[in-house]
Amino acid sequence: SQKIEQNSEALNIQEGKTATLTCNYTNYSPAYLQWYRQDPGRGPVFLLLIRENEKEKRKERLKVTFDTTLKQSLFHITASQPADSATYLCALRDTGRRALTFGSGTRLQVQP
Amino acid sequence: DAGVIQSPRHEVTEMGQEVTLRCKPISGHDYLFWYRQTMMRGLELLIYFNNNVPIDDSGMPEDRFSAKMPNASFSTLKIQPSEPRDSAVYFCASRAGATGELFFGEGSRLTVL
Repeated sequence: SQKIEQNSEALNIQEGKTATLTCNYTNYSPAYLQWYRQDPGRGPVFLLLIRENEKEKRKERLKVTFDTTLKQSLFHITASQPADSATYLCALRDTGRRALTFGSGTRLQVQP
Repeated sequence: DAGVIQSPRHEVTEMGQEVTLRCKPISGHDYLFWYRQTMMRGLELLIYFNNNVPIDDSGMPEDRFSAKMPNASFSTLKIQPSEPRDSAVYFCASRAGATGELFFGEGSRLTVL
C-alpha cells in the first residue's frame, strides 16, 4: 500500500541549531514533492517544491533534498528560531495524478 | 487577493443534522480541493474539481457527503446526516494549473455532538 511517513514524535532543538525533518514514502512515483508549514488553528502554508529530477532546493534558511532512490526527502532549517516552531508537512503528487497526498506532519519546537 | 475564504470557521451541531461548509477559492484558480484533517488520520483528500467539474471523489467517505462547485468562485461540502465521527477540520484549497503550490483556507472546524 502507499505510505508517506514523517516522524510523529516532536522534534525539540535549541535556537540557532539546524533542524532536519524526514519524509519517507513507499509505492509512489512522485512527480514532485512539497513541504508545508502549519501553525495551530491555521491552514497549511506552502514553503518549497522540489521536482523528481532535482536533488536539492534552497530558499533563505530552508533546504530540501529529494532522493528518489532512497524514496526520501529531507527538510532542513538552518539557524533555527523560536518562530520556526510549527508542524511541517510533506506532500507529494504521484505521477499521473493531480492531487497532493500529505504526510501526517512533524511538530518542531525551537527552544530559546 | 483575500486568499481562500471558508465559512463557517466553527460549527457545532447535533448528530443527524445537515452541515454545509462553504469555500471561495482564489480568483483565477482552476483547481479546488477539499481536505479533512483529524489527529488520527492527518490531512485526507476528499474530492477535487478542475474547472468546476468533479475529477476525483474517491476520498469522500460515504454517500452522506456531497460536494458541488456551481461556478468558479464557490464550492460547498455537505454532510447529511452528520455523525460524531465526522468531527474534524475541513480545509478548502485552490491552485492555478496542474502543478504548483496549494493555497489553503483557514479551515472549518466541525464538531458533531
